[in-house]
Amino acid sequence: GAGVSQSPSNKVTEKGKDVELRCDPISGHTALYWYRQSLGQGLEFLIYFQGNSAPDKSGLPSDRFSAERTGGSVSTLTIQRTQQEDSAVYLCASRNTRQGGYEQYFGPGTRLTVT
Amino acid sequence: DAKTTQPPSMDCAEGRAANLPCNHSTISGNEYVYWYRQIHSQGPQYIIHGLKNNETNEMASLIITEDRKSSTLILPHATLRDTAVYYCIVRVAGTGNTGKLIFGQGTTLQVKP
Repeated sequence: GAGVSQSPSNKVTEKGKDVELRCDPISGHTALYWYRQSLGQGLEFLIYFQGNSAPDKSGLPSDRFSAERTGGSVSTLTIQRTQQEDSAVYLCASRNTRQGGYEQYFGPGTRLTVT
Repeated sequence: DAKTTQPPSMDCAEGRAANLPCNHSTISGNEYVYWYRQIHSQGPQYIIHGLKNNETNEMASLIITEDRKSSTLILPHATLRDTAVYYCIVRVAGTGNTGKLIFGQGTTLQVKP
C-alpha cells in the first residue's frame, strides 16, 4: 500500500510570505505527527494529532505555526509570515494506534527554503 | 522520556556486523527502547524496539542489558545501503501516550567497502 506522502517536496518562499505544507498519512492511521529538521540539527517534534484533534502542540515554535487535520486524514501545516530560521525539512509521520502500532511511518519530507 | 547517549559516529566494514551502542541509564520500568535510522535525504525508518527481552527482526537485533541501562543495535551483515544516522529513543508506550519521538543526535554509521 501507499506510504505517507507529502507535498510539495520542495518549497522556496520569500520572507514574510505564508506557506502551507500538506501530509497524506497512510489510510486508517489515526495518529499523525509533524517534525522538522533544520540544517545541522536533529529532528524536533512539532505537533501530534489523534483523529482531528491535537492534544499535543508543545513543539510548535511560535504562534506563526499552526496545523489542522480534517476527516481524520490529510493534515496541513501552515507557517505565517515566514522567517529565514523557518528553513528546514518538515517531516510528517503516521501511526496505526487502533492496532496498537508502535511504529511511526515517515514521509519523504518537504524542504522549505525561506529567502 | 529518558535521555539517551550515543557515539556521534562509527565505521563498519561491508559484510561485517555493525554494533551500535546506546546508554539510557535513567530509563524507567515502563519505557521502551526504539531504534530508527535516517538515510540521507529520506525520512526516518523504524528498525526495531524492545522492553527488556532481546528482539530480532529481518533488519536487526536489539540486545538490552539486564539492568536496562544500555542497549546495542546489531546489523548482522552491514551493506553500503546501511550507511545512515541511527537514533536510539526511549519512551513510554501504551494507550494514552502521544507516542511522539524525541530524537537525539544519533550515531552516523559509515559502512565502508
